Amino acid sequence: DAGVIQSPRHEVTEMGQEVTLRCKPISGHNSLFWYRQTMMRGLELLIYFNNNVPIDDSGMPEDRFSAKMPNASFSTLKIQPSEPRDSAVYFCASSKYTQGATDTQYFGPGTRLTVL
Amino acid sequence: SQQGEEDPQALSIQEGENATMNCSYKTSINNLQWYRQNSGRGLVHLILIRSNEREKHSGRLRVTLDTSKKSSSLLITASRAADTASYFCATGLSGGNQFYFGTGTSLTVIP
Repeated sequence: DAGVIQSPRHEVTEMGQEVTLRCKPISGHNSLFWYRQTMMRGLELLIYFNNNVPIDDSGMPEDRFSAKMPNASFSTLKIQPSEPRDSAVYFCASSKYTQGATDTQYFGPGTRLTVL
Repeated sequence: SQQGEEDPQALSIQEGENATMNCSYKTSINNLQWYRQNSGRGLVHLILIRSNEREKHSGRLRVTLDTSKKSSSLLITASRAADTASYFCATGLSGGNQFYFGTGTSLTVIP
């Protein structure tokens, strides 16, 4: 099993540019999560999907952030326009079950985003 | 905030010693999990304890849960340099699928 795959691993961009982060969950997993990690705020849940449907996006900081999951094997997190305060490590995680907070989440290696 | 808080924020011990980290949370939970994060990597699941359990073991790891005090502890026995990492607790709320991660404890094991 390849685990959760994220791309790119590192992204450096200039303020105002569009950034797209990609995630491939573990095959057979039905829930997908996007997190952001910074020194100041720790690990924050941005949005999660069950069976490709967004369930809770209350953690998305503002309208500049959007996430999609067009199918069970692919999700994107887009920031447009990007700002320096968006600099962080963005993690994608997946879990097998969708019912009840009893399941282990498997994390990808993260994308380190730097917005200049 | 529903986020858990780990204590201490940082811990430095000698190899072979035991390391204890604590987690406190605010709301009723379905379960609590502990994760490890090595520098520059994603989080790795260590152990899950359900709300009706009081203690659980996995290898050198021992987790306790006190729901009356809304707290949990993670004990790593006979620590090794490879245990150097950040450790996070994550609380799973009843009826939900997401976890709320704590602020983490940074553990350094000195060889």
